[in-house]
Amino acid sequence: GAGVSQSPSNKVTEKGKDVELRCDPISGHTALYWYRQSLGQGLEFLIYFQGNSAPDKSGLPSDRFSAERTGGSVSTLTIQRTQQEDSAVYLCASSSTGGGNYGYTFGSGTRLTVV
Amino acid sequence: AQKVTQAQTEISVVEKEDVTLDCVYETRDTTYYLFWYKQPPSGELVFLIRRNSFDEQNEISGRYSWNFQKSTSSFNFTITASQVVDSAVYFCALSNNFGNEKLTFGTGTRLTIIP
Repeated sequence: GAGVSQSPSNKVTEKGKDVELRCDPISGHTALYWYRQSLGQGLEFLIYFQGNSAPDKSGLPSDRFSAERTGGSVSTLTIQRTQQEDSAVYLCASSSTGGGNYGYTFGSGTRLTVV
Repeated sequence: AQKVTQAQTEISVVEKEDVTLDCVYETRDTTYYLFWYKQPPSGELVFLIRRNSFDEQNEISGRYSWNFQKSTSSFNFTITASQVVDSAVYFCALSNNFGNEKLTFGTGTRLTIIP
């Protein structure tokens, strides 16, 4: 597609439930990134994919968080047993190999609210 | 480790005034990239500029200009003759050029232009 697509745009879930957030990157972009932006905060790196592998998962805050990418395209971020502190906007970005050279394109994000 | 500091949390100026947003970075890499993004109230991150570490030339794009100084590890952003549409949160970010090119973001500066 023309841009990075994320779904859903908004998600309200009850504490303790699992949620799945989806990112559809720009076609042909091999690198994909997940970031989290808590209210009034900067952007926190979560995980990086190159193709289907995730060489850097260092930003995942706990083992309740996991992500996968299939076919070198769509990625899903899963949060299990959600907690209120998981409430944030989750942003996805994609780039060609060499994001520093070619730049990053961000999606509009998924706003997650845990009640 | 990489770090980006945006010391100004919030700035308010009257329309048509000039305003400079500060960004100071830390990195051990000799090759790196610096970015500025704008996040308007709609939430989507809008790419403004990318600069590599070997290019210290200042850049001007319309009312926007950027001053990159390696000697002080700074990459400041100036808006000339500010307009209400410039009101947004502005993020400075840093990436390296070695495989995992995740962006390290500053905490952002909220700019409010008063009509």
